[in-house]
Amino acid sequence: EDKVVQSPLSLVVHEGDTVTLNCSYEVTNFRSLLWYKQEKKAPTFLFMLTSSGIEKKSGRLSSILDKKELFSILNITATQTGDSAIYLCATMNYGGSQGNLIFGKGTKLSVKP
Amino acid sequence: GAGVSQSPSNKVTEKGKDVELRCDPISGHTALYWYRQSLGQGLEFLIYFQGNSAPDKSGLPSDRFSAERTGGSVSTLTIQRTQQEDSAVYLCASSLAGGYNEQFFGPGTRLTVL
Repeated sequence: EDKVVQSPLSLVVHEGDTVTLNCSYEVTNFRSLLWYKQEKKAPTFLFMLTSSGIEKKSGRLSSILDKKELFSILNITATQTGDSAIYLCATMNYGGSQGNLIFGKGTKLSVKP
Repeated sequence: GAGVSQSPSNKVTEKGKDVELRCDPISGHTALYWYRQSLGQGLEFLIYFQGNSAPDKSGLPSDRFSAERTGGSVSTLTIQRTQQEDSAVYLCASSLAGGYNEQFFGPGTRLTVL
């Protein structure tokens, strides 16, 4: 059975800290891994990673995929209270329903002032 | 519109009643997905529409759930004879054609079945 596992499940840090969120996967016909940020209800797209070892960066956020070890990390540097959210990781696989995403349960990040 | 919209934002219903949830995808997006997010759980795929192709219904949890997409745009998810375990946030997402593109989510509908 396809599985996406995120760790930690929750994390509390202070403003200015750097955090690393983890996502490991065991899926058949892997194509890409996606990260989303969910603050209220709508997950907002952060990154899609398809190639191994190539870092994607957006401001203070960055992410990289390791297709050999089957995991990805999401780094947030100089955290701010606005970074508080649930961060979701999902895999997109070939075949089956094209593009349907298999999600992990998320990491709840709380950034204290 | 600028993003995916869903209505209603919240729905409270009694067990046994039918409910309809609506999704308006981003203009030009031909792929549309429905997901369900239960408390403490990740998002669970329900159904996928791509253009005029037959939908992939493999994620629907029971025959009480159905969805349709009229004119290749707006979609309606219908849950018949609702049960308490149907309580969840129902999220709709859309993407450009082909399926292997990032999905953009709507704000969801929070369904509570009493």
